[in-house]
Amino acid sequence: GAGVSQSPSNKVTEKGKDVELRCDPISGHTALYWYRQSLGQGLEFLIYFQGNSAPDKSGLPSDRFSAERTGGSVSTLTIQRTQQEDSAVYLCASSLGGGKAEAFFGQGTRLTVV
Amino acid sequence: DAKTTQPPSMDCAEGRAANLPCNHSTISGNEYVYWYRQIHSQGPQYIIHGLKNNETNEMASLIITEDRKSSTLILPHATLRDTAVYYCIVRVASRGGNEKLTFGTGTRLTIIP
Repeated sequence: GAGVSQSPSNKVTEKGKDVELRCDPISGHTALYWYRQSLGQGLEFLIYFQGNSAPDKSGLPSDRFSAERTGGSVSTLTIQRTQQEDSAVYLCASSLGGGKAEAFFGQGTRLTVV
Repeated sequence: DAKTTQPPSMDCAEGRAANLPCNHSTISGNEYVYWYRQIHSQGPQYIIHGLKNNETNEMASLIITEDRKSSTLILPHATLRDTAVYYCIVRVASRGGNEKLTFGTGTRLTIIP
């Protein structure tokens, strides 16, 4: 596709359930980022993948959050035992890497935990 | 990444130039200045970036002071569609380094008809 694709666009889940959010980056982009944005707030960094390097997980808020990137392409962000404070828009971005390359963002997944 | 400071909000009349300032007084020599914007309910959009020279593209111009401690994003002829939150970010440019983008609180720019 032409841009970063995220699915689902909206997800409503019950407290305590696990959810998986998917990100399809732009083909050929080696860097992939996950952010979350709570209502009316700024973007909070979660995790960053670059090629075969170990991911930067420094932004993951708790051990309930994890992310994988299989084959250097698609990424899945998993939230276990969801809590109401996990409700937010989860944004994925990708870039060519190399430091100077701009990141392109998807439209996000709006997660609501009820 | 170095921290940035931006005014929380600004207004600009439609058709006029919008000048958005950013302070990054602790920027390192290998860090670029990036600007992104986020229109309501959309993902952030890349605008422009630069190291030390002024830059211009179809969207905006970026003016970086000689000491690199501050910069200004210029939207030459603002339209209502430019209403958004604008983020100034500094980021290490070295290949293989951590390219994490750290967003601050940005400037909420409102274009007034």
